[in-house]
Amino acid sequence: DAGITQSPRYKITETGRQVTLMCHQTWSHSYMFWYRQDLGHGLRLIYYSAAADITDKGEVPDGYVVSRSKTENFPLTLESATRSQTSVYFCASSGVSNYNEQFFGPGTRLTVL
Amino acid sequence: AQSVAQPEDQVNVAEGNPLTVKCTYSVSGNPYLFWYVQYPNRGLQFLLKYITGDNLVKGSYGFEAEFNKSQTSFHLKKPSALVSDSALYFCAVREVKTGSARQLTFGSGTQLTVLP
Repeated sequence: DAGITQSPRYKITETGRQVTLMCHQTWSHSYMFWYRQDLGHGLRLIYYSAAADITDKGEVPDGYVVSRSKTENFPLTLESATRSQTSVYFCASSGVSNYNEQFFGPGTRLTVL
Repeated sequence: AQSVAQPEDQVNVAEGNPLTVKCTYSVSGNPYLFWYVQYPNRGLQFLLKYITGDNLVKGSYGFEAEFNKSQTSFHLKKPSALVSDSALYFCAVREVKTGSARQLTFGSGTQLTVLP
């Protein structure tokens, strides 16, 4: 199916564990983004990527690692999960034009115990 | 730096009445402005955007938004609200800048409830 998908949709983990959230898009969009959504904060950008092998930090990158070896995939890794990383995580993608809107995945709800 | 303010956390409106969800923004230069809607347990869906030209932008599901440069606002409107419009609405801004990183800054969201 065309679009942008995220897996898993729900994840419960423990403090200190490594967790990887997956994002896959079928549009061959150049840009991909990771956001976290927390009550009262809207969406905050964690990392973004302009193309394969090009990534950069967003507003709240600490504790997260990303990679982008292929255009269609943009995994987000929490190297050592903390309770403050309990959140809903959204992946998004957009085309190369500066005025392109972003298209969002369905989200991953992560709980860190 | 760019920022967005959605001054109302919650907006209630009766079905059939017009609705307005407010958004003001701050950027150094010219803005690109976007509205997204989020239904429970779903990702954000794009509604409409302002790039340039006509200040009144029409989007999906009968929504429209008016860009007002002097007031730095981009309020979302609909002439007649439906119960199915009940959702969380986000305004977002990006500065028009050559080579910009495509980063959007989102407001904190406004929960719209349309009462039957």
